[in-house]
Amino acid sequence: DAKTTQPNSMESNEEEPVHLPCNHSTISGTDYIHWYRQLPSQGPEYVIHGLTSNVNNRMASLAIAEDRKSSTLILHRATLRDAAVYYCILRPAYGGSQGNLIFGKGTKLSVKP
Amino acid sequence: DTGVSQDPRHKITKRGQNVTFRCDPISEHNRLYWYRQTLGQGPEFLTYFQNEAQLEKSRLLSDRFSAERPKGSFSTLEIQRTEQGDSAMYLCASSPGGFNEQFFGPGTRLTVL
Repeated sequence: DAKTTQPNSMESNEEEPVHLPCNHSTISGTDYIHWYRQLPSQGPEYVIHGLTSNVNNRMASLAIAEDRKSSTLILHRATLRDAAVYYCILRPAYGGSQGNLIFGKGTKLSVKP
Repeated sequence: DTGVSQDPRHKITKRGQNVTFRCDPISEHNRLYWYRQTLGQGPEFLTYFQNEAQLEKSRLLSDRFSAERPKGSFSTLEIQRTEQGDSAMYLCASSPGGFNEQFFGPGTRLTVL
């Protein structure tokens, strides 16, 4: 399974944008890029996913590099509730491990008031 | 509340005892996953069910672990002869299909003394 690399931690100020990077240089053409986050004392929750084009939803935006070897999760205005561990995960469109999520250590985002 | 629920939320047991955890997925989700998470790490996949069939087990799932989903609805995860190394958060997730987003429960935190 393809691996991802994320910084261990990042800090942000409240109400400022946050750009969380993820490197996935060994991504295959059929791997989707998924982001989940885990708030303290909770299970992970889905944030967003994409294949090639940039994606937006109510929670965040996902910017995918043209060569797909990296991506960036963008939180447009960080709030204190966005403090969490953010996981970048590659999921094959078919085959592979039947949809199991393979988590790394993620990026711990701290948001300062 | 129509999310994934897990019971109990916390369990403290002595080494050598058996423990059983329950997961109630979102209604009509045919996929159910179990993950384990230790401190400072991302969740690790243990096993998953498609309806009542257990389709994949991680090598992390030793012989002391068994999971069931008898009627394709709730699932149980049993650990026999617990060891201190079993101390972790056990997370359950469900999804309507293999590559849809997974919805996680709050987890069961196991402490083995």
